[in-house]
Amino acid sequence: DTGVSQDPRHKITKRGQNVTFRCDPISEHNRLYWYRQTLGQGPEFLTYFQNEAQLEKSRLLSDRFSAERPKGSFSTLEIQRTEQGDSAMYLCASSHYRGDTEAFFGQGTRLTVV
Amino acid sequence: RKEVEQDPGPFNVPEGATVAFNCTYSNSASQSFFWYRQDCRKEPKLLMSVYSSGNEDGRFTAQLNRASQYISLLIRDSKLSDSATYLCVVMPGSARQLTFGSGTQLTVLP
Repeated sequence: DTGVSQDPRHKITKRGQNVTFRCDPISEHNRLYWYRQTLGQGPEFLTYFQNEAQLEKSRLLSDRFSAERPKGSFSTLEIQRTEQGDSAMYLCASSHYRGDTEAFFGQGTRLTVV
Repeated sequence: RKEVEQDPGPFNVPEGATVAFNCTYSNSASQSFFWYRQDCRKEPKLLMSVYSSGNEDGRFTAQLNRASQYISLLIRDSKLSDSATYLCVVMPGSARQLTFGSGTQLTVLP
């Protein structure tokens, strides 16, 4: 396990379709974060988990967005009824629950909605 | 007002120059501060944490002014490989998520 892994790396979908992205964090990390990044902007926080508990989800962009981490290991982010405005890079990060430790990011999933 | 605001840039500097980036944050209860670096089309990576006493890592110096809610990053003797976007990052209070600024793009020219 050399880092945070995200799949797929790229996704092109038609407007109105549902998409799901997967994130595998660094194995000993119990915190997992999802961010969205658009061109020229910094990553925008969406949600995070500590183990399997979703501790913050108020920043999810709409009720079309949902995330799970069923066993406290990998996580999925689903976007239902995609819109063109959902086109962005979706980044996952993980960290230890131990003070203010470094968050390691995956390479992201680039979503294009056509 | 954005939670974390940065110089918009871009900064284009010659090799060897010294460049400084500034950042302000709005949540006075913020506890932790960082600078991340993001290369083009890559993921962000931690450059350095920022401590109240200030800290230095080689050519990089970070400063924090809690009273002014201001963070800075100084890069001395710029290298071509320093070209990237520098993201100011704050962990606000008891919340555990990182809040990012929009980033400042740096290009070091030969």
